[in-house]
Amino acid sequence: KQEVTQIPAALSVPEGENLVLNCSFTDSAIYNLQWFRQDPGKGLTSLLLIQSSQREQTSGRLNASLDKSSGRSTLYIAASQPGDSATYLCAVRIKSGGYNKLIFGAGTRLAVHP
Amino acid sequence: DTAVSQTPKYLVTQMGNDKSIKCEQNLGHDTMYWYKQDSKKFLKIMFSYNNKELIINETVPNRFSPKSPDKAHLNLHINSLELGDSAVYFCASRGTGGGGTDTQYFGPGTRLTVL
Repeated sequence: KQEVTQIPAALSVPEGENLVLNCSFTDSAIYNLQWFRQDPGKGLTSLLLIQSSQREQTSGRLNASLDKSSGRSTLYIAASQPGDSATYLCAVRIKSGGYNKLIFGAGTRLAVHP
Repeated sequence: DTAVSQTPKYLVTQMGNDKSIKCEQNLGHDTMYWYKQDSKKFLKIMFSYNNKELIINETVPNRFSPKSPDKAHLNLHINSLELGDSAVYFCASRGTGGGGTDTQYFGPGTRLTVL
């Protein structure tokens, strides 16, 4: 059974710091891995999607890496800003019967203070 | 314009009542989902529909009945509400380009509180 774990559960940093969020999954048979951002009381916004054949994806100050064989992904945020404060969720897409579904981690709650 | 929309945003009701949540997507996607996010913020899939057909049912109590009148809509009806049903319910949609590759888009969520 696929399980997704995110470490740390919460993180508080001063503005300007570079930071790394970690995600691990127990079964390497995934189609892809997706990082989402969730603001309080809001829905999820997709940040980056890495296919199982890829090693990393970049978008602005965000860089996500994937090591499928070891079941790990990291989300690197450069030069953090207060506006980055949110919960970051990692999810893997796995096969489910003839279809597929996302399995989510519990998230990392990030607070960036001025 | 909103890609995935849900109504209502908040729903407060008494135990035992029946309620519905509506979801619509204007992305032209074939697949839609319902997720439940509990008090610990864990997001779990409940149902998935593809072209109005149920394809995933994650052993959700049969008090929960999804209905997809067309590809763009997936509604969730809940009978005999219980305290444990209190959670945030998210609708999502995804195109099926093949190989499980496409990004999933989420609605803003419906916060259900059962008193």
